[in-house]
Amino acid sequence: NAGVTQTPKFRILKIGQSMTLQCTQDMNHNYMYWYRQDPGMGLKLIYYSVGAGITDKGEVPNGYNVSRSTTEDFPLRLELAAPSQTSVYFCASSYDQDRYFGPGTRLTVT
Amino acid sequence: AQSVTQLDSQVPVFEEAPVELRCNYSSSVSVYLFWYVQYPNQGLQLLLKYLSGSTLVKGINGFEAEFNKSQTSFHLRKPSVHISDTAEYFCAVHQGGSEKLVFGKGTKLTVNP
Repeated sequence: NAGVTQTPKFRILKIGQSMTLQCTQDMNHNYMYWYRQDPGMGLKLIYYSVGAGITDKGEVPNGYNVSRSTTEDFPLRLELAAPSQTSVYFCASSYDQDRYFGPGTRLTVT
Repeated sequence: AQSVTQLDSQVPVFEEAPVELRCNYSSSVSVYLFWYVQYPNQGLQLLLKYLSGSTLVKGINGFEAEFNKSQTSFHLRKPSVHISDTAEYFCAVHQGGSEKLVFGKGTKLTVNP
């Protein structure tokens, strides 16, 4: 199993551009999550999904959108990038209470 | 709302010394507690967890943690650290019935030779 994979690994965006961060898991987990990690701040939940077709907001959803059309994929969309969205983004899936994290996407908005 | 406090943002220790990383949480209901480790430029990995039962929990790489309900603490310990333990460690709390896992701000452990 590849586990949770994320693409791209790195990206630089200009203010106002849009992009989609991809996340795929091959463990058949129903639950999936998007977190952002800022230095000294831990991880903050952006959005999560309890199954295909069902998504819900986390702590910091503003400026992001998600969709979940399949069990495997949970993309995160940034519509109008802002400098405040410079961060490292982690996707995760879970079985019971254990989270399995992807390797992250480092995004810089300038 | 739940919160998690990791009392030390950075902990430097020498190789083979013991270490304790402190974690306190606030919750009045049953919780599940976790420690995750993040090596440089990687995602988080589960180190250990407390769901119920014995309050002393053993994890990977020789780490253990003790759940103390009266002090609302879940401190992580290792009797003898290695250089390879250098990483950032996150404590997290999950409240039963919720999908949300609340993370502390992390403790950077640096093991020096």
